[in-house]
Amino acid sequence: DQQVKQNSPSLSVQEGRISILNCDYTNSMFDYFLWYKKYPAEGPTFLISISSIKDKNEDGRFTVFLNKSAKHLSLHIVPSQPGDSAVYFCAASAQGGSEKLVFGKGTKLTVNP
Amino acid sequence: DAGITQSPRHKVTETGTPVTLRCHQTENHRYMYWYRQDPGHGLRLIHYSYGVKDTDKGEVSDGYSVSRSKTEDFLLTLESATSSQTSVYFCATASGLNEQFFGPGTRLTVL
Repeated sequence: DQQVKQNSPSLSVQEGRISILNCDYTNSMFDYFLWYKKYPAEGPTFLISISSIKDKNEDGRFTVFLNKSAKHLSLHIVPSQPGDSAVYFCAASAQGGSEKLVFGKGTKLTVNP
Repeated sequence: DAGITQSPRHKVTETGTPVTLRCHQTENHRYMYWYRQDPGHGLRLIHYSYGVKDTDKGEVSDGYSVSRSKTEDFLLTLESATSSQTSVYFCATASGLNEQFFGPGTRLTVL
């Protein structure tokens, strides 16, 4: 039973355009959500997070939106750059922090020059 | 970034042999984790530790054991490796307040 779902295995966008990566969850107890970015042959690196008390969090070109009623979050990257090409993992926690995370399967983003 | 190292970084072994992977951190984080990453499965939690000598099972713990005798070290042992355990293994640490930090990974091949 997959509690965190990233239904798009891959996404391709043009440089300069917006990339939108989506994530759905089923556990209503999740209250903290994170996005990680992973390059080949490296460990995942933290990108941005959002608490369930917010519906939006921004960090430079990256914005995460949370729709609790739909149990859906999305990561927007504007403008997309070739260096953003990576696998993006959505993760969720039910304990208000990162003590125990449940990860989605990931979405591979390719940004074409 | 948290100082997390994993050793070895690459290992090839044969079915039935024991294998131990080591994770070492310098951040004094309370929590440590072992994940495996496989195509089509994302990151799956194997075992985790919430303190010295305190460990618990994750989603895919069968065939794996762990030990944590010091805050900075978390060992993952495959008692008798199988081909299904061919994977990339990631260690992570966390203080519990914010994000988990990941190590560089160990690529394990079981022939």
